[in-house]
Amino acid sequence: EPEVTQTPSHQVTQMGQEVILRCVPISNHLYFYWYRQILGQKVEFLVSFYNNEISEKSEIFDDQFSVERPDGSNFTLKIRSTKLEDSAMYFCARVDPQVTDTQYFGPGTRLTVL
Amino acid sequence: RKEVEQDPGPFNVPEGATVAFNCTYSNSASQSFFWYRQDCRKEPKLLMSVYSSGNEDGRFTAQLNRASQYISLLIRDSKLSDSATYLCVVKSPGGYNKLIFGAGTRLAVHP
Repeated sequence: EPEVTQTPSHQVTQMGQEVILRCVPISNHLYFYWYRQILGQKVEFLVSFYNNEISEKSEIFDDQFSVERPDGSNFTLKIRSTKLEDSAMYFCARVDPQVTDTQYFGPGTRLTVL
Repeated sequence: RKEVEQDPGPFNVPEGATVAFNCTYSNSASQSFFWYRQDCRKEPKLLMSVYSSGNEDGRFTAQLNRASQYISLLIRDSKLSDSATYLCVVKSPGGYNKLIFGAGTRLAVHP
């Protein structure tokens, strides 16, 4: 059973539309991360989120992106106005509280922007 | 220079073979290193952390050479199920655990 679940598993959207990707931890964690992987390319860091605040973000994470934890449980990544180049797998990851270096990834959401 | 660099492969090996993957990283201040495995269109899954003294987990052995900024993964007695992409991953120095991924090395084990 995955320790982190993500919904939806696949999202198809039109360019310019807003999408919200969700990450649901099984147990209570403080650290969360979002990564993306464009097809055929490497996994890239987007943003880290600690104790309900962004702790670090990459150059990719521009004003079109936002993260929040609206209900203290689900962890969301929002893309306000999607572009074709946002098509990718988006992975949520959490840290093992016993071994804070180690990250475990959710199954991902495949985003397709048409 | 890329932050984490790997030979993309593919490595095509028969069952039972021993195969080794190498990886170099650019930031000498990096402290934590990992090998992840990724199957096609799936999430990266942690294979093992890499310690300075080297570490072994069954058929898998990881080594770290800090002086050369070099990490390796050795797989002995390859199984068909080992076919996957192996990702060399380095934790960015600093406080927030950002992971930096290599592009991965593809392994195909054939009967």
